Amino acid sequence: AQSVTQLGSHVSVSEGALVLLRCNYSSSVPPYLFWYVQYPNQGLQLLLKYTTGATLVKGINGFEAEFKKSETSFHLTKPSAHMSDAAEYFCAVSFSSASKIIFGSGTRLSIRP
Amino acid sequence: KAGVTQTPRYLIKTRGQQVTLSCSPISGHRSVSWYQQTPGQGLQFLFEYFSETQRNKGNFPGRFSGRQFSNSRSEMNVSTLELGDSALYLCASSLAGGTGVGEQFFGPGTRLTVL
Repeated sequence: AQSVTQLGSHVSVSEGALVLLRCNYSSSVPPYLFWYVQYPNQGLQLLLKYTTGATLVKGINGFEAEFKKSETSFHLTKPSAHMSDAAEYFCAVSFSSASKIIFGSGTRLSIRP
Repeated sequence: KAGVTQTPRYLIKTRGQQVTLSCSPISGHRSVSWYQQTPGQGLQFLFEYFSETQRNKGNFPGRFSGRQFSNSRSEMNVSTLELGDSALYLCASSLAGGTGVGEQFFGPGTRLTVL
């Protein structure tokens, strides 16, 4: 069965440090992969997506993610964390034009001053 | 271009009552999906409507139902409310023909509290 796993329900980094949020998926067919961010009391906003083509995907707010088929991973990174990056981040996967999106359990990112 | 709107934003109900939530997608979007978000269960898919037809369904009891109108607006209904139905209900719309392609745009959610 297709699934997505986010490692670490809570990640804390210092301001200016590297942000790394981990996501692994399970799939028998090529996936579409997404990262969403949710700020308090708001809906989800798409950060970036991978469909086909280049495996390194750049998104908004300086985030990027790399699709690694051999590792079935789609980790999210940002070189230097800002206080405004504090939020919950969701990795998501889907598999066809008519399939539903499957979301991971989310990772709450905290930024220390 | 207006985003996805959800009404009401906050709702308080008592056990046994029913509730209807509304979602207006972005103009031109034909797919609307509903999600339930709780601290314990995270984000869970309820159902997706495309061109007034339910195309995908999550694992929720029959008390949860929805529909989509010809203008793509969607409603979600929960009957016989239980305490465990307290959650943030999110609606998302998509331009593409399926949730698996293209970006989903989320509304701000409806916060439902069941007492």
